[in-house]
Amino acid sequence: DTEVTQTPKHLVMGMTNKKSLKCEQHMGHRAMYWYKQKAKKPPELMFVYSYEKLSINESVPSRFSPECPNSSLLNLHLHALQPEDSALYLCASSQPRGVVDTEAFFGQGTRLTVV
Amino acid sequence: AQTVTQSQPEMSVQEAETVTLSCTYDTSESNYYLFWYKQPPSRQMILVIRQEAYKQQNATENRFSVNFQKAAKSFSLKISDSQLGDTAMYFCAFTTMEYGNKLVFGAGTILRVKS
Repeated sequence: DTEVTQTPKHLVMGMTNKKSLKCEQHMGHRAMYWYKQKAKKPPELMFVYSYEKLSINESVPSRFSPECPNSSLLNLHLHALQPEDSALYLCASSQPRGVVDTEAFFGQGTRLTVV
Repeated sequence: AQTVTQSQPEMSVQEAETVTLSCTYDTSESNYYLFWYKQPPSRQMILVIRQEAYKQQNATENRFSVNFQKAAKSFSLKISDSQLGDTAMYFCAFTTMEYGNKLVFGAGTILRVKS
């Protein structure tokens, strides 16, 4: 199973809403990532979890709150977002550094629209 | 600084022909991994090919091959016998052992395969 599954595929939320994005993988990977991608741009790294601990936070605003409940799951909690946060949110997983197979596997993303 | 440059924003190729996408990168590390990812309109980021910097032999995956020039810090992707399904945004990326679990992406090249 080489799949990273993200739900929901599409999400429309108001600026006062609270919602969560979910990501799941069963490849035994111990590093998981959240990326934000605007149209026709490369993904921008937001957060990295390594062995279920937050290892990188790329100065993301606090209205984005990541959570890694276990080695297979990664959540991104959203609260009080702005219209400019509308984007494709990608989840990825890989083996952590120091292991040979370092390529990241990506999910299909959640298309988020903030109204 | 770790950077990746893709100098071709858009390219077109006729079906069955060969096309080469260019990528240069900059790192002071000696041990790193290079990747080409494909993102079709379906938006899932798919790994096309990977190259370990310590391997001199160029990687190949069916119709996809790379020309890795370590001294020149160049990593181009050649697609042979182009197919309509190859139409996508292609991102060059790399990660280093000392850079944690970060993938550094180039700006991307939109490739259109025409019938």
